[in-house]
Amino acid sequence: DTAVSQTPKYLVTQMGNDKSIKCEQNLGHDTMYWYKQDSKKFLKIMFSYNNKELIINETVPNRFSPKSPDKAHLNLHINSLELGDSAVYFCASSQEGPRFYGYTFGSGTRLTVV
Amino acid sequence: GQQVMQIPQYQHVQEGEDFTTYCNSSTTLSNIQWYKQRPGGHPVFLIQLVKSGEVKKQKRLTFQFGEAKKNSSLHITATQTTDVGTYFCAGTTTSGTYKYIFGTGTRLKVLA
Repeated sequence: DTAVSQTPKYLVTQMGNDKSIKCEQNLGHDTMYWYKQDSKKFLKIMFSYNNKELIINETVPNRFSPKSPDKAHLNLHINSLELGDSAVYFCASSQEGPRFYGYTFGSGTRLTVV
Repeated sequence: GQQVMQIPQYQHVQEGEDFTTYCNSSTTLSNIQWYKQRPGGHPVFLIQLVKSGEVKKQKRLTFQFGEAKKNSSLHITATQTTDVGTYFCAGTTTSGTYKYIFGTGTRLKVLA
């Protein structure tokens, strides 16, 4: 009954590989997000989707491509991984409008590029 | 660009001492939220403040939104070891390309 679930929890991969992270929410929220948290704990938004439509596309290398097949899922595909991509990636969801009351985060995916 | 800074960046306190983290935005915020992230965990929503000058309490935690809606504070009375973690504020801006910006965070360590 997890509200926002991400897989995998840990991902160790070599430079140059392509990898995907999946996210699903069962809260009925209409907006989903990807955040990157670096080693200094800074949380930076990468993408935001509202009802499958991309609404925020932060300055992120185009090696990162989000995909939202429906409003309950938002996946993140990363091509040609680099050392600097190592971080914790959090998926989150929220309900926009008057019922907005904070983000619900997934448990995160710790990506290590070696 | 729009920024939300928090001070201090780190704070170590003795168990039982009080703790305050301050959140300052370069632009006016329509509302502000606070989150707590335990070590190794994910951010968890604590509270939302909307009105200018608003003060809300949750047990030992007191949250305040500034009159100008550009700053906020979180005060913890008599800290406990369970308060350890990173506290983030996050603001919804009234203009600009970002709808929601997270603060830089304050890492709290409580020494028993």
